[in-house]
Amino acid sequence: AQTVTQSQPEMSVQEAETVTLSCTYDTSENNYYLFWYKQPPSRQMILVIRQEAYKQQNATENRFSVNFQKAAKSFSLKISDSQLGDTAMYFCASEAMDSSYKLIFGSGTRLLVRP
Amino acid sequence: DTGVSQDPRHKITKRGQNVTFRCDPISEHNRLYWYRQTLGQGPEFLTYFQNEAQLEKSRLLSDRFSAERPKGSFSTLEIQRTEQGDSAMYLCASSPGPEAFFGQGTRLTVV
Repeated sequence: AQTVTQSQPEMSVQEAETVTLSCTYDTSENNYYLFWYKQPPSRQMILVIRQEAYKQQNATENRFSVNFQKAAKSFSLKISDSQLGDTAMYFCASEAMDSSYKLIFGSGTRLLVRP
Repeated sequence: DTGVSQDPRHKITKRGQNVTFRCDPISEHNRLYWYRQTLGQGPEFLTYFQNEAQLEKSRLLSDRFSAERPKGSFSTLEIQRTEQGDSAMYLCASSPGPEAFFGQGTRLTVV
């Protein structure tokens, strides 16, 4: 079965510092999408950043960037200048190996930003 | 509000009762997904629709579960004869393509 692995159940970072969340995945496809979603406490899941596998350039969205290593099947998220509002569960997800666009999620990393 | 809307937000039910949840997707999105999320885990895929057609169901979706999307608009997820193991957050998402937009979820507690 297709899997996504997040090996860090919890992370903590000081406000204004930088933190990196890890994710590995498996797929036999060549073209696919990878995502990081943020789920704040008791709030809905929102998309943080998206990477298309055929693009060599790492995606960046303001303070959020990814390190996409296609050969290693690694997809880490870097949050720069961490803010208190970044406190949330972060889920890495890959697109399933079919045309459905359904998502395969990792188990999540709980990030706490300390003031 | 043009986001994905789910109703109810919370549902407490006794074991053995039937429950139904509703999802209103973003209007121009033709794909609609249901996921289940248990405490401390990532969401797991249950089923999805393209317009009104239900194209895939996960093995997680036992015969006590049924989902519909009449006319390709809102969707309902019904659980019959609920069991304690059904307690979870049920998430709905809609998408025009690869990027999914999630609702706030319905938290089901079976007592």
